[in-house]
Amino acid sequence: RKEVEQDPGPFNVPEGATVAFNCTYSNSASQSFFWYRQDCRKEPKLLMSVYSSGNEDGRFTAQLNRASQYISLLIRDSKLSDSATYLCVVNKGGGSYIPTFGRGTSLIVHP
Amino acid sequence: DTEVTQTPKHLVMGMTNKKSLKCEQHMGHRAMYWYKQKAKKPPELMFVYSYEKLSINESVPSRFSPECPNSSLLNLHLHALQPEDSALYLCASSQDPGGGAGNEQFFGPGTRLTVL
Repeated sequence: RKEVEQDPGPFNVPEGATVAFNCTYSNSASQSFFWYRQDCRKEPKLLMSVYSSGNEDGRFTAQLNRASQYISLLIRDSKLSDSATYLCVVNKGGGSYIPTFGRGTSLIVHP
Repeated sequence: DTEVTQTPKHLVMGMTNKKSLKCEQHMGHRAMYWYKQKAKKPPELMFVYSYEKLSINESVPSRFSPECPNSSLLNLHLHALQPEDSALYLCASSQDPGGGAGNEQFFGPGTRLTVL
């Protein structure tokens, strides 16, 4: 089992749709979790940190489920500009700090 | 200033050349990272510097040699590279090297490297 797994997609949705991505992780000692957005041929940009209590930023909501070892990202009212690859990053705990990336989920929002 | 800068933006080199990639941040971050990213793949961690000391080397070939001259700068020295080393090389920094919550990484725009 890979350490961090994401469905690569693509998720093809119309403008205005709600779309959700999940990311599962295998190391129960993982301590911190993030969602990044990466546009084609650009660097990853931090979208949200994911806290135990969940967090929301405008149309974006991130949640953490430690019991089932996954994080989720919900995008409401999708815009064309949301089209990108969404990368899940999990930081291992246990004394060695290694950020581990999922392979990314591709989102295409069409008119 | 929440920016990480990288130079050069593009680099083309032959297999016998020696070149260096540079990365700079002025956010007072104490952890800096080098990643390699191939097309349609996620970034692969290469090195982590923690308080200017190399803390993680992810079994990277010795033709890649990192250097951290001070807390703001990170270099990646390249020598005798292979064509399969062609990729986007990303630098990132974070506030500290710990694994706790809130330790977000900020990425530079990357250097697109082509090895002929």
